Amino acid sequence: NAGVTQTPKFQVLKTGQSMTLQCAQDMNHEYMSWYRQDPGMGLRLIHYSVGAGITDQGEVPNGYNVSRSTTEDFPLRLLSAAPSQTSVYFCASSSPRTGAYEQYFGPGTRLTVT
Amino acid sequence: QQQVKQSPQSLIVQKGGIPIINCAYENTAFDYFPWYQQFPGKGPALLIAIRPDVSEKKEGRFTISFNKSAKQFSLHIMDSQPGDSATYFCAASNDYKLSFGAGTTVTVRA
Repeated sequence: NAGVTQTPKFQVLKTGQSMTLQCAQDMNHEYMSWYRQDPGMGLRLIHYSVGAGITDQGEVPNGYNVSRSTTEDFPLRLLSAAPSQTSVYFCASSSPRTGAYEQYFGPGTRLTVT
Repeated sequence: QQQVKQSPQSLIVQKGGIPIINCAYENTAFDYFPWYQQFPGKGPALLIAIRPDVSEKKEGRFTISFNKSAKQFSLHIMDSQPGDSATYFCAASNDYKLSFGAGTTVTVRA
């Protein structure tokens, strides 16, 4: 199993550009989440999904969109990039069968917005 | 406003020492309290977790102590080793969501 995969690993955007961060998992997990990690702030939840077709906002959703058309994939879209979105982004998945608290994280995408 | 407050921000111990990381929460609806370990350039990984009806849990050299009445919990790393040098996050689970503390960078000197 590859677990949770994320692409790209690194990305530089100019202010106002849009892009999609890709996330996929092969563990058949129902739950998937996107977090951003900033120094001194831990990981903050952006959006999450409890199953295909179901998404909801987390703590810091502004400027981001998500969709979940399949169990495996959960892309994160930046609509119009801003310097405040410079961060490391992590995708995670979990299953209610083993506990939503046991989340499996991808390797992250380091995004810089200039 | 973080729902889980974590301290200290960083700490340095000698090999064999016992780093202790403390966390506090307010929301009594949290149903699980996991700790995650993160090495540089990697995603966090679950280390150990505890339910609020248990006061202590040990897994290898890692121990969680939980005080429900004080709404506090802590991680102790027994006989710490240089390989334990990492950032540690406490978290609290509610429904499908995790709320993370700010993280503690632990450095274990040989």
